[in-house]
Amino acid sequence: GDSVTQMEGPVTLSEEAFLTINCTYTATGYPSLFWYVQYPGEGLQLLLKATKADDKGSNKGFEATYRKETTSFHLEKGSVQVSDSAVYFCAPSSGNTPLVFGKGTRLSVIA
Amino acid sequence: GAVVSQHPSWVICKSGTSVKIECRSLDFQATTMFWYRQFPKQSLMLMATSNEGSKATYEQGVEKDKFLINHASLTLSTLTVTSAHPEDSSFYICSAGEGDGTYEQYFGPGTRLTVT
Repeated sequence: GDSVTQMEGPVTLSEEAFLTINCTYTATGYPSLFWYVQYPGEGLQLLLKATKADDKGSNKGFEATYRKETTSFHLEKGSVQVSDSAVYFCAPSSGNTPLVFGKGTRLSVIA
Repeated sequence: GAVVSQHPSWVICKSGTSVKIECRSLDFQATTMFWYRQFPKQSLMLMATSNEGSKATYEQGVEKDKFLINHASLTLSTLTVTSAHPEDSSFYICSAGEGDGTYEQYFGPGTRLTVT
């Protein structure tokens, strides 16, 4: 089945710093890849996605590129804000099946 | 995008009572929904797969008689925590997909259950 290895946190950055959260996956076939974000006390929101190799997903200044050759989907943002403080989850999906989550990466951005 | 709602958003109940949590897909039909639980500062743990018109599929270690799941329509799945105990206190989250080939799952806002 699908699985994911995600960079463990917590990650603490100063405002306007560059962010990278690593994610590698294993899956059969050609999965879609997702990054979800969870703000304190809330459910998960889709941050961005990519459905095929070399696709770049982007949203709110965050980007991730589907790298089939390295089975990776690293999340990046050039300049983080305090409001980006949350837990980030990477997940592959090969069908209408439950998403397999890693442990998540907790990001704290300080002013 | 598609929206999934949950009700209630939080609930406090006494030990030994039962609590029902609803998960609704508001603008799409979902033959399959998923229930997760999340402990503080931990990841989501899949509890069960809810299938419309048939029995739910439970993950290993999840007591099906304690966590009753009913998926009576294409837009509603319910999770009932029976004879709740303090150790059942957790954040319960459901998700559903449109089945449109993108495999995206839409998550509800979660229900925080506290058993006293």
